[in-house]
Amino acid sequence: GAVVSQHPSRVICKSGTSVKIECRSLDFQATTMFWYRQFPKQSLMLMATSNEGSKATYEQGVEKDKFLINHASLTLSTLTVTSAHPEDSSFYICSARDTGGSYEQYFGPGTRLTVT
Amino acid sequence: SQQGEEDPQALSIQEGENATMNCSYKTSINNLQWYRQNSGRGLVHLILIRSNEREKHSGRLRVTLDTSKKSSSLLITASRAADTASYFCVASGGSYIPTFGRGTSLIVHP
Repeated sequence: GAVVSQHPSRVICKSGTSVKIECRSLDFQATTMFWYRQFPKQSLMLMATSNEGSKATYEQGVEKDKFLINHASLTLSTLTVTSAHPEDSSFYICSARDTGGSYEQYFGPGTRLTVT
Repeated sequence: SQQGEEDPQALSIQEGENATMNCSYKTSINNLQWYRQNSGRGLVHLILIRSNEREKHSGRLRVTLDTSKKSSSLLITASRAADTASYFCVASGGSYIPTFGRGTSLIVHP
């Protein structure tokens, strides 16, 4: 079946630094990918929709300058958490829609970010 | 957006018993997926069922889909302590953006 990978799976960074998270669709093309965030013991909340070759669409309350999204190819979207703070510590999950075929959507395993 | 809403929110059973959790969604879908998430870990894809399917099996998992009621169920048979996790359903279709419900927190006591 279709696979979505994320890298890294875990990252620890110092406050003030930036962290980049990659999301890849491994065996299908995805012009649209999505980024979610999960706080402890809560559900996943949609942060933004990433569109290949154009600007991402952010959900209300999500700072676009804080969470930079780049979707430069049909199989890769990146989320950069800029000037990270401890409150940015969270679980980030991406998903990719198979826009080349089935239009089914698959989720990556997630990336746990800890900001110290 | 499509929303999967799981029920019950919490389920506690003994090892060997079956666990059933349900999912409801709002509009037409192409498919529905179930994921598991162990505490502090990532999502693990369990099973995908398409809108033209009514039932699907994978090992100890059995998933049903009733598109007329806009609902799905996940049955875990002969549960094990290792099945303890949160379970999420995600309904998606066309250009809709899947959203997650709160999940069902399953505890299997050894």
